[in-house]
Amino acid sequence: EIVLTQSPGTLSLSPGERATLSCRASQSVSSSYLAWYQQKPGQAPRFLIYGASSRATGIPDRFSGSGSGTDFTLTISRLEPEDFAVYYCQQYGSSPWTFGQGTKVEIK
Amino acid sequence: QVQLVESGGDLVKPGGSLRLSCAASGFTFSDYYMSWIRQAPGKGLEWLSYISGSSSAIYYADSVKGRFTISRDNAKNSLYLQMNSLRAEDTAVYYCARANYGLDVWGQGTTVTVSS
Repeated sequence: EIVLTQSPGTLSLSPGERATLSCRASQSVSSSYLAWYQQKPGQAPRFLIYGASSRATGIPDRFSGSGSGTDFTLTISRLEPEDFAVYYCQQYGSSPWTFGQGTKVEIK
Repeated sequence: QVQLVESGGDLVKPGGSLRLSCAASGFTFSDYYMSWIRQAPGKGLEWLSYISGSSSAIYYADSVKGRFTISRDNAKNSLYLQMNSLRAEDTAVYYCARANYGLDVWGQGTTVTVSS
């Protein structure tokens, strides 16, 4: 099983700042089958990024994903008020599929 | 529009059983793998299981293997999760999701509470 470790656990930033979230895998993620999701309280997760770097339909270009192998990054170039949420990475390259534990982006 | 709607969540006693359903609409259901994911109160997302479009490929997380069974009825555009031998630690919101290079469409979730 591939274990995904996200860091930091919490990121305290102000609107307009840049957010950099990390997701590290315990072994190489096949074909960069790595996705990112955003979740706000009381809501279902929202699909942001697939294939490590491709934005899902309708996702603003301030969200970008990068990385390969075992190290992946989600970057939010300039935080908008609606971006404060919890973010999860997930690998779907090998079974069982797995999620990271999440990074909370909170308002400083 | 593309939509998934879960149902079947309830309060159940430890050791009991429950069957969750997920109704799909707005896309060709049989073309897609489907998955179940859960989230315990105040915790992160936990992937549980997936099933291929033809039901030929099925996989489970170790935490539910042998207790939960995923299935689908393509004629009814429906996904199911049969949950047996339920434990307190199965208490969570259960989501179904469409698998399409990631989990691109999610339902709103259904709540399962396991308590005596």
